[in-house]
Parts: sequence; structure tokens; C-alpha cells
Amino acid sequence: AQSVTQPDIHITVSEGASLELRCNYSYGATPYLFWYVQSPGQGLQLLLKYFSGDTLVQGIKGFEAEFKRSQSSFNLRKPSVHWSDAAEYFCAVGSSNTGKLIFGQGTTLQVKP
Amino acid sequence: DAGVIQSPRHEVTEMGQEVTLRCKPISGHNSLFWYRQTMMRGLELLIYFNNNVPIDDSGMPEDRFSAKMPNASFSTLKIQPSEPRDSAVYFCASSFLARGLARKETQYFGPGTRLLVL
Repeated sequence: AQSVTQPDIHITVSEGASLELRCNYSYGATPYLFWYVQSPGQGLQLLLKYFSGDTLVQGIKGFEAEFKRSQSSFNLRKPSVHWSDAAEYFCAVGSSNTGKLIFGQGTTLQVKP
Repeated sequence: DAGVIQSPRHEVTEMGQEVTLRCKPISGHNSLFWYRQTMMRGLELLIYFNNNVPIDDSGMPEDRFSAKMPNASFSTLKIQPSEPRDSAVYFCASSFLARGLARKETQYFGPGTRLLVL
């Protein structure tokens, strides 16, 4: 069965520090992978996506993610975090057959001044 | 582009009342998804439509929930009667599914409707 695991429920980093949010997936075929961000009281905004090709994908707001098939991972990174990055981050895998998205439980990012 | 539009943004109702949530997808999109977000269960897909036709409603919790898409620019999610455990944030998302064997699409989410059933 398809599943997505985000091992870290809550992460706190200092402003200006680097960030890595982990995502592991389970999917039988070629996965389509996404990262969304949700600010408090807001909807989900797409940060980036991986469909095929280059395994390092660039997104908005300075985020990037690397697809590693051997590790079934799609970790999100940012070299220098800004206070406005504080939010909840969701990793999701999309089914190539149905288009359905399976979401991880989310990681809440807190940024210290 | 206006994005996905949902209304109302907030809804407070009493147990037993009927609740109707509305969604207008992005113009030109042909797939629409309804999700529910709760602390306990996270984000879960309730139902989705392709070309206004319901494809998979296996995520709909029970018969109290129903969804319709009468045309390409409007969908509703109805709960009747509502119960306190239905309190959640309900999201609508839309995407454009191109012709082909594999679904390669990006879902765009609305701002959500925050439902509180007392």
C-alpha cells in the first residue's frame, strides 16, 4: 500500500540556519512526489514537485528537494531559514493510476530568532 | 488566476443541522478533490471527480456525507445530519488531467472551510 512517513513531527531551527525535512515513501511504481506548505489558518501551497528527470528539484521560496530512489526518500532542504518559513510542511506521493495524493502527517517548523 | 475558491471559510453549526460546503475549481481544470484535515487523522481524501463524474468515493466516512459536481465550475460537499466529530478543515483541490496513461498532474488547493459542529 502507498504510504508517506515524515519522521519528525516538530522541528525548531534558528533563523539563518540550514533546514532538512525528511520524507520517506512507500510506492510500488514510479512515484510522483510533492511538498506542500501550510501556514496557520491557510490552505496548502505547492513548494515543489518531482515527476521525472533530474532528481534534484528546485521550488519556490528557496526550497529544494532530492529524490533518492534507493532510499525511498524525498527530503526537503533550505540553506538558510527565514522567520516567515515557520509553518507546517507536508510531503505527498501521487498515484500515477488514479491521481490520488497520499499525505504524510506533516512536520511543524518553528524558527527561533 | 483566482485559484480554487471555497465558501464559506468558516462554519459553526449545531449537531443535526445540514452543512453545505462549496468549491469553485480553477478554470480549465477537469479534476476536483475533497479532503478533510483533522489533528487525529491528518489530511485524508474523501472523494474525487474527473470531468464532473465521481471516480472514487471510498474515503467518504458514511452516508451522511455526499458530494456533487453539477458542472465543471462548481462542486458541493454536504453533511446531513452533522455531528461534532465532523468538525475539521475541509479542503477542495483541483487539477488538470491531460490525456495519457499515467496521471501526471499537480493539485492546487483552496483555502479550506473550517467547520465546527457543536
